[in-house]
Amino acid sequence: DSGVTQTPKHLITATGQRVTLRCSPRSGDLSVYWYQQSLDQGLQFLIQYYNGEERAKGNILERFSAQQFPDLHSELNLSSLELGDSALYFCASSVEDSSLQPQHFGDGTRLSIL
Amino acid sequence: GDSVTQMEGPVTLSEEAFLTINCTYTATGYPSLFWYVQYPGEGLQLLLKATKADDKGSNKGFEATYRKETTSFHLEKGSVQVSDSAVYFCALSDQSGGYQKVTFGTGTKLQVIP
Repeated sequence: DSGVTQTPKHLITATGQRVTLRCSPRSGDLSVYWYQQSLDQGLQFLIQYYNGEERAKGNILERFSAQQFPDLHSELNLSSLELGDSALYFCASSVEDSSLQPQHFGDGTRLSIL
Repeated sequence: GDSVTQMEGPVTLSEEAFLTINCTYTATGYPSLFWYVQYPGEGLQLLLKATKADDKGSNKGFEATYRKETTSFHLEKGSVQVSDSAVYFCALSDQSGGYQKVTFGTGTKLQVIP
């Protein structure tokens, strides 16, 4: 058990809809990262937050947004969903914003767009 | 920019065979290097890490040595088991613009047959 909790585990919705994925980091971890994992593109970094502030953006679409709340949990919002958004979405956390620290991953949310 | 290149999979081995999964990297700074493992239906788990040149990371019989001269971090195990079947990701972590940036390889699927 990594200590990172993601909900829901599975999400099935239709094109054009909007969903919110939730992540609770490990106790004491200040950094949260979001990744998208699809079969054809591997693990893609989306966005990072550190103690409530956005730190870095990766390959995140404009239809996607995220935030980290004062209690350090994070939400990833996906809107105007397209078939290609079907993927596993992982959240990871680390103690601090340091290259020395590994990331701890949740079990992911599997998003299926019908 | 930073990049990580892993050998293509799947890699299929018989139980007790020797495993090598190649990983090479390019980085502008002095990165830390990691191997993560993903079992079916789960998130990525840290397997081992090395934070400076010539460091050897080891865990559960797996080893990898940070070779700066060849920019490599190859994963090895002397005798694989069926339970080692998983996808293995090489990753580097670097400080860029004041924040941690993590770059993952595309993953190598390992199948161990009895």
